[in-house]
Amino acid sequence: DADVTQTPRNRITKTGKRIMLECSQTKGHDRMYWYRQDPGLGLRLIYYSFDVKDINKGEISDGYSVSRQAQAKFSLSLESAIPNQTALYFCATSDFEPAAANYNEQFFGPGTRLTVL
Amino acid sequence: KQEVTQIPAALSVPEGENLVLNCSFTDSAIYNLKWFRQDPGKGLTSLLLIQSSQREQTSGRLNASLDKSSGRSTLYIAASQPGDSATYLCAVNIGNQFYFGTGTSLTVIP
Repeated sequence: DADVTQTPRNRITKTGKRIMLECSQTKGHDRMYWYRQDPGLGLRLIYYSFDVKDINKGEISDGYSVSRQAQAKFSLSLESAIPNQTALYFCATSDFEPAAANYNEQFFGPGTRLTVL
Repeated sequence: KQEVTQIPAALSVPEGENLVLNCSFTDSAIYNLKWFRQDPGKGLTSLLLIQSSQREQTSGRLNASLDKSSGRSTLYIAASQPGDSATYLCAVNIGNQFYFGTGTSLTVIP
């Protein structure tokens, strides 16, 4: 979805480096998510946030941290990158409005391919 | 925890065939189910969203159905084309969480 952007799109880094992945959205959604995708494992939830003051751990939060700087921005950090964090990372948004026709539908950014050497 | 399974993991068909992709889930108390397409190394392209109150959704050659009671959804692709080759993912929304299947890799042979 063009309304959800991720930077950088590709990143190669070395073990032990600190990395930040950024996500921005213009959909006006309150809810934002970070996932990682590994071959054969599908998408797994790292962290999610339902508003600026709400941060929740997902299935695989160890080794990651997040910051919700504003409604439109949600950043994922790897404090000390390790090779098994090499993956495709996706940001997503959703708007939990039960009155809407497609409430709680998720919209995804284009992904960030991260390689940790 | 919700488990989402997609079978088969891979499928090859000749061009022009109609085909069905399957998605099953263990907890029927879902808000919605969504089908995505993913090309190798790329992002997720939304295909069809089915809310829990709906039975099916159609878009062009694609038709998705939902049977909550049996925990199943199918994605029907009519008159398949080589450009349909991709991995197809289903995801269910339950509570505050979204759960993804591991996908079916589809190859349409010209």
